Amino acid sequence: GQQLNQSPQSMFIQEGEDVSMNCTSSSIFNTWLWYKQEPGEGPVLLIALYKAGELTSNGRLTAQFGITRKDSFLNISASIPSDVGIYFCAGHPNTGTASKLTFGTGTRLQVTL
Amino acid sequence: SQTIHQWPATLVQPVGSPLSLECTVEGTSNPNLYWYRQAAGRGLQLLFYSVGIGQISSEVPQNLSASRPQDRQFILSSKKLLLSDSGFYLCAWSVPDWYSNQPQHFGDGTRLSIL
Repeated sequence: GQQLNQSPQSMFIQEGEDVSMNCTSSSIFNTWLWYKQEPGEGPVLLIALYKAGELTSNGRLTAQFGITRKDSFLNISASIPSDVGIYFCAGHPNTGTASKLTFGTGTRLQVTL
Repeated sequence: SQTIHQWPATLVQPVGSPLSLECTVEGTSNPNLYWYRQAAGRGLQLLFYSVGIGQISSEVPQNLSASRPQDRQFILSSKKLLLSDSGFYLCAWSVPDWYSNQPQHFGDGTRLSIL
């Protein structure tokens, strides 16, 4: 099936630093989604991207849908302790069932004071 | 606004016992519904999804089953739990298929421990 390669697997950063993570695929995706999951909770949708080249912000978060439709990145500016969690990329593959999402393996973010 | 509820939040069950996890969605009609399992520190594995009442698609062979007795109710069941069924179970919903490529929205999950 479809695979999403998400990197890095984990990040340890200091409060105030900017963060960048990305997601790549060998095949084309129709949407890219970014979720954040905190311990013991379900993933929460952060940003949804629907068009190649689209750049969308949500507060300190910015995500882009790659021009090739095979990648996406998420940036977090001026990180704070509450940014801690696991960030998942997800998307609808071009050749997949419209109902189903493919998920990346997640980037675990730790923020130190 | 739409909300999704899962219960129970945590569950400890002995091997061989039955299981029933429930998920309900409010504020939308005819949603797509999904059950995922997440092993500790790992990604999400899709177990079942449903596009309507009584319509269930199974993604992986396993010891579990799903049912959708009502439009906004999705149930995950097992007749006899195995140790390997331990994990974090997540229910999710999305708008119907005719709005293709829509995000999924997750409940808070059930932590299932098998002893």
